[in-house]
Amino acid sequence: AQSVTQLGSHVSVSEGALVLLRCNYSSSVPPYLFWYVQYPNQGLQLLLKYTTGATLVKGINGFEAEFKKSETSFHLTKPSAHMSDAAEYFCAVSLPFGNEKLTFGTGTRLTIIP
Amino acid sequence: KAGVTQTPRYLIKTRGQQVTLSCSPISGHRSVSWYQQTPGQGLQFLFEYFSETQRNKGNFPGRFSGRQFSNSRSEMNVSTLELGDSALYLCASSLAVAERGTEAFFGQGTRLTVV
Repeated sequence: AQSVTQLGSHVSVSEGALVLLRCNYSSSVPPYLFWYVQYPNQGLQLLLKYTTGATLVKGINGFEAEFKKSETSFHLTKPSAHMSDAAEYFCAVSLPFGNEKLTFGTGTRLTIIP
Repeated sequence: KAGVTQTPRYLIKTRGQQVTLSCSPISGHRSVSWYQQTPGQGLQFLFEYFSETQRNKGNFPGRFSGRQFSNSRSEMNVSTLELGDSALYLCASSLAVAERGTEAFFGQGTRLTVV
């Protein structure tokens, strides 16, 4: 079975500051890892994903994440926060080989301080 | 290319009633998954359908069921509604190609309120 832990249910950063959202996973096999963003009253939008290959992955809106197997982590970062980044962010894991089930973390609500 | 469409967007039902939610996936996507999102439990996987067959199922009671049609459209049904079924129900579709990972595209959800 797989699981995801997101440290910090609420994170506040100043506009222009570094955004760091933490995600740790547990999986019996090398997983696929994802970050999704959800704006109020909306569905989830994929920010980025890691399947295989390069461990630093770049996504939309200037976000990136690094897969660290030794630390079982997949933290999301953005060098400079923008007001439009205020949303809820979910880390998710799935097993490879045709399994479409996503297991989500509990989410981190990101607030941007003007 | 049209995204995932869920209907209706909002629904109010009474305890004991049943409800059917609909999801039209992105054209060409063969897999449809359903998730329940609540403030207390977060995002939980309900089930996945692929080529009209349920391929994976979450830990929900039998009151929750679903199906997929030959055009990949999917419905989920909840019978004998309980107050605790109030939630945002999200549908996600994907190509279901293993080497791409589970790149799921989500609809905007159906907000179900049980009174």
